[in-house]
Amino acid sequence: AQSVTQLGSHVSVSEGALVLLRCNYSSSVPPYLFWYVQYPNQGLQLLLKYTTGATLVKGINGFEAEFKKSETSFHLTKPSAHMSDAAEYFCAVSDLYDYKLSFGAGTTVTVRA
Amino acid sequence: DSGVTQTPKHLITATGQRVTLRCSPRSGDLSVYWYQQSLDQGLQFLIQYYNGEERAKGNILERFSAQQFPDLHSELNLSSLELGDSALYFCASSHRQGVAGELFFGEGSRLTVL
Repeated sequence: AQSVTQLGSHVSVSEGALVLLRCNYSSSVPPYLFWYVQYPNQGLQLLLKYTTGATLVKGINGFEAEFKKSETSFHLTKPSAHMSDAAEYFCAVSDLYDYKLSFGAGTTVTVRA
Repeated sequence: DSGVTQTPKHLITATGQRVTLRCSPRSGDLSVYWYQQSLDQGLQFLIQYYNGEERAKGNILERFSAQQFPDLHSELNLSSLELGDSALYFCASSHRQGVAGELFFGEGSRLTVL
């Protein structure tokens, strides 16, 4: 079974600073990896995904993530944080043969002015 | 707006009661997923349907059941409710049977059991 571990339940950054959210996965088969964002009182929205091909994946709102098989990681970054990035971020994993996403515990991002 | 509609948005009920949560997927999406989000357990996959048939089952209690109807809307039935069932229940939809594509989430139904 696949699983993901998100390091750090809360991250606080200054506006304009780098955002780095860490995710490590466990999977016995090639994984599909996802980052979702949840704004207050809303459902989850896909930021980006990795299935096959290029290991550096660009998503919406300036976010990107890099799949590193040797490190079993899929960390999410954004070069310059904006106040609107304050939200909860979830890493998730699946694979070609699975019908469900397994989510991490989530990381709440706060952005300081 | 994801295009996924969930009703009701909020529901308060008592222990031992039964409730039904409804989900209308995006137009054309054949897969419906149900997830439970709680503070202590995070986002837990409950069950998935594809074009009316159950495809995958996760940590869904026997007191819970779901179905997908011919018009593709889905209902999640929760019975003999306990305090611990208080949570946010999300429905998501996708066009494909698997998850390689994007899942579109509704805004959730917040259930409070008193």
